[in-house]
Amino acid sequence: GENVEQHPSTLSVQEGDSAVIKCTYSDSASNYFPWYKQELGKGPQLIIDIRSNVGEKKDQRIAVTLNKTAKHFSLHITETQPEDSAVYFCAASPNTGNQFYFGTGTSLTVIP
Amino acid sequence: KAGVTQTPRYLIKTRGQQVTLSCSPISGHRSVSWYQQTPGQGLQFLFEYFSETQRNKGNFPGRFSGRQFSNSRSEMNVSTLELGDSALYLCASSPKTGGGTEAFFGQGTRLTVV
Repeated sequence: GENVEQHPSTLSVQEGDSAVIKCTYSDSASNYFPWYKQELGKGPQLIIDIRSNVGEKKDQRIAVTLNKTAKHFSLHITETQPEDSAVYFCAASPNTGNQFYFGTGTSLTVIP
Repeated sequence: KAGVTQTPRYLIKTRGQQVTLSCSPISGHRSVSWYQQTPGQGLQFLFEYFSETQRNKGNFPGRFSGRQFSNSRSEMNVSTLELGDSALYLCASSPKTGGGTEAFFGQGTRLTVV
């Protein structure tokens, strides 16, 4: 089955700096890659996603890039703010169903 | 539009008991997936239901089961609870099945087995 690896596991940045989280996947059949933000005591919140026919997608301060050949995808957060502090999960999904394979999460701390 | 609603939010059960968790998806969404989240194993897929049929199943024992009703609401059941079943159980709602579809999560049900 699919194996998703996520790095780093923890990340601390100064407010205003950028944060980058990287994921790799193993199954070339995966074609949908969402990113989720999970705050303490809450369920994961979808923040951005990308499909395999697109190389990059941006939404305000958040961007995601996908390299299908290398099976890498990354989340970029610019101008970080304290409210960006949370655990971020990447995921990969094959085209056969709504089963998501999640990375192990990155705990992001933005220091004011 | 109301989000995904999971009830109850918290549960404490004793080993050997069974438990039923409920999930109401976003209005109009017909796919409901369930995940188990633990510190050690992370987020793991349990199963997906679409139009009252189980579409996919993860690698969990048969003690974990689910169903979906005609109004798309879903329940999952865990029988003969073990201490290791303590986890946050998350439900995700999607408008369709077949892959490549956004999934929106509820707040989860925190199950503690003692």
